[in-house]
Amino acid sequence: GAVVSQHPSRVICKSGTSVKIECRSLDFQATTMFWYRQFPKQSLMLMATSNEGSKATYEQGVEKDKFLINHASLTLSTLTVTSAHPEDSSFYICSASRGPQQPQHFGDGTRLSIL
Amino acid sequence: GENVEQHPSTLSVQEGDSAVIKCTYSDSASNYFPWYKQELGKRPQLIIDIRSNVGEKKDQRIAVTLNKTAKHFSLHITETQPEDSAVYFCAAAGANNLFFGTGTRLTVIP
Repeated sequence: GAVVSQHPSRVICKSGTSVKIECRSLDFQATTMFWYRQFPKQSLMLMATSNEGSKATYEQGVEKDKFLINHASLTLSTLTVTSAHPEDSSFYICSASRGPQQPQHFGDGTRLSIL
Repeated sequence: GENVEQHPSTLSVQEGDSAVIKCTYSDSASNYFPWYKQELGKRPQLIIDIRSNVGEKKDQRIAVTLNKTAKHFSLHITETQPEDSAVYFCAAAGANNLFFGTGTRLTVIP
């Protein structure tokens, strides 16, 4: 199997709050984890790629100081949205992969709503 | 970088008919092509994938074909059922990342 757990599934918080989202691979070691953002009725937009023990690689236009990514172990990556604002409201999904050009397995996603 | 185009954006078929979704990619170095199904508000689920060393792969009612020369690949769903209704995404894998198509909303009409 390849199970990826993502928490929390839903967050509603006030503007200015920082929010941490966890992504865990439960039954396999993920050398690489990915963070995506998905707007309604749109495709998955890659935000960053993280490899265990090294700094994340951010896609163009994604603020690294705004979206802090930590990949501390082969089974856990976290995304922290710092000082969130209403425009950060979105559906964030992580995925995990055993290696290059291997299937990516997705978490359930986190719906973030900033008031 | 890789550019993946997907067509059509919406597709409606009668139950029992076939559905075909097509994608093209730009980077000839890509050699892994997965397809994901995403139901509303849920995670994308891998339904089938194909690597560049084969031209076709089939799993029950689902099949994928790949033409590396033309840089296009297609998803075929036969004998469609209402539970096949969802958004389908194709993707092409570069060195490490997946590049997704824009998605196809498939509706199977009972």
